[in-house]
Amino acid sequence: AQSVTQLGSHVSVSEGALVLLRCNYSSSVPPYLFWYVQYPNQGLQLLLKYTSAATLVKGINGFEAEFKKSETSFHLTKPSAHMSDAAEYFCAVSRNSGNTPLVFGKGTRLSVIA
Amino acid sequence: GAVVSQHPSWVICKSGTSVKIECRSLDFQATTMFWYRQFPKQSLMLMATSNEGSKATYEQGVEKDKFLINHASLTLSTLTVTSAHPEDSSFYICSALSGIAGNEQFFGPGTRLTVL
Repeated sequence: AQSVTQLGSHVSVSEGALVLLRCNYSSSVPPYLFWYVQYPNQGLQLLLKYTSAATLVKGINGFEAEFKKSETSFHLTKPSAHMSDAAEYFCAVSRNSGNTPLVFGKGTRLSVIA
Repeated sequence: GAVVSQHPSWVICKSGTSVKIECRSLDFQATTMFWYRQFPKQSLMLMATSNEGSKATYEQGVEKDKFLINHASLTLSTLTVTSAHPEDSSFYICSALSGIAGNEQFFGPGTRLTVL
């Protein structure tokens, strides 16, 4: 079975500050890991994904995440927060690169303070 | 990127009525689509996997007779909530699997269902 734990349901940062959203996973097989962003009343947009290539994955909008097998983590970071980054972020895991259903974490709401 | 649409985006219905939600892949064919449900301030939970031309596979605890799924073509899957009740009020999101784009799932914008 696979599962994802996102630490912190709500994270608040100042504009220009570092963004760090935490995600830990559990998987009995080598995982594929994803980060999605959801704006209010909208669907999910893929930020980035780890598919067993490079452990440091760069995504859209300046986000990146590092896969650490020893820590079973896949934390999402961005060096400098922008007001437009305020949204809900979901970490997800699947057995392969996409053709199986995703198991989502509970989400972390990011607030950016001016 | 690939685009997935859902219709309607928002629906309000009376208790006991049925509601149909459409999920379309606009510029690619999808043999597999997934239906998720998201309650307020919670994560997405998979309801069922929809495969074109075959019966849907439902997750444990999801009533297949209540949530009817039809995937009649490679670009369209429908979810019908039958005899809806207030506890069915939720945000329903579909995703379509693109076999071309590295099997990436593309998500629709979601449908908010409110049952009075």
